[in-house]
Order: sequence, then structure tokens, then C-alpha cells
Amino acid sequence: AQKVTQAQTEISVVEKEDVTLDCVYETRDTTYYLFWYKQPPSGELVFLIRRNSFDEQNEISGRYSWNFQKSTSSFNFTITASQVVDSAVYFCALSEAFISNFGNEKLTFGTGTRLTIIP
Amino acid sequence: EAQVTQNPRYLITVTGKKLTVTCSQNMNHEYMSWYRQDPGLGLRQIYYSMNVEVTDKGDVPEGYKVSRKEKRNFPLILESPSPNQTSLYFCASSFLSSQGTNEQYFGPGTRLTVT
Repeated sequence: AQKVTQAQTEISVVEKEDVTLDCVYETRDTTYYLFWYKQPPSGELVFLIRRNSFDEQNEISGRYSWNFQKSTSSFNFTITASQVVDSAVYFCALSEAFISNFGNEKLTFGTGTRLTIIP
Repeated sequence: EAQVTQNPRYLITVTGKKLTVTCSQNMNHEYMSWYRQDPGLGLRQIYYSMNVEVTDKGDVPEGYKVSRKEKRNFPLILESPSPNQTSLYFCASSFLSSQGTNEQYFGPGTRLTVT
């Protein structure tokens, strides 16, 4: 069965500090997909990134970067020079291959990390 | 504008009073799904649908029903709500592809309280 662990329940940092959110996953599939979503205080879910299991290249998007390491089953998310607008709950999620899921594109979510940026 | 809409956004009801939460998407997506979000548990899938008239259970289907009569709509039905169904509900949709899970578009959420 697939599982996603976000061990950090809450993190607080002072504005402009860098912060890394950890995500560790478990799956028996060799083909799978990893996601990060942001949930601001308003409650909606905002898609941040999708990464497939065959692409281990790190990705950078502005102040956001993601470090995917299959050897440790981790997909960590770093925010550089954090801002107050980054305050939110962040979810890491996993989806197994289409064939394994019989077409159910279910996302298995971690429990989320609440990030608070202190001005 | 591509979007998933849910109604109502907020609902307080009493135990046993049937209710329906609507979900509609305008992107012609085949795949739609319902999740519930609870503190300390993240989001868990309730039901999903791969196309019209094709639905199946997710991880926590007890107490819920769904239907998919039209491609754009995927209502969630609680025939006899109970307090343990108090939660934040999200509808999601995406294109269905053999290339793997695509980006799923989420609705704004429905906060349901059952007293």
C-alpha cells in the first residue's frame, strides 16, 4: 500500500529564512507520481508541482525548489527567502501508476505541514 | 476560466437530514473524485468516477453515495448524515491518461458540520 509521511506537523520561521518541508513516501510501484499542494488560510488547494518517478532532477521555480531522491524515498520542498504569503499548510501526495490503480488516479496525501512565517 | 465549483461552501445540518453537495467542472475531464480532509489525517478519497456512469469506492466510502449522470457533474450525497461526517470536503477532476496521474484540479471545498 502507498503511504506518505510528513513528520513535521508545524514549522515556524522568521521571514527571509529558508525552510525545508520533508516528505517521505512508500510504494511498491516503480512508476509513480509525486505532488505538492499548498493550502492557504482561505482553504483552497493550490497545485505546486508534479514529478514522475523516472525524473530525479531537482526542480526550481522562483523561490521554490524540490529535491527528489529515490534512494531515500523522499521528495522534499524548500522555500528560499520565505515570505509571509508562504504561510499555509503544505501537503505532499503520491499517486501510483495508472495500471496499478485500475484507472483510479487517487492521491494519497500526507498529513500536512503547517508553515508559519513570522514577520 | 477553467474551474471546479462546489456548492454549498458551508453547511450546518442535523443528524439524519439528507443532503447533497454538488460538484461541477468545465474542463471536460473524464476523472472526478471526492476527498474529505480531517485534522491529522490529511485528505482521504471517498469515491471516484472515471467517466459517465462509472463510479467506484475510494478509501472511506461508508455513509456516502455518488452519481455521474453527466460528465461535468459529480454530486456527493449523504443520505443520513452523522456527526462523524463533519469535515472539509473537496471535489477534484482531471484528464484521464495512461501516461499517469495528471494535475488534479480541486474545488474550493465545502465545510460541513453535522450536529
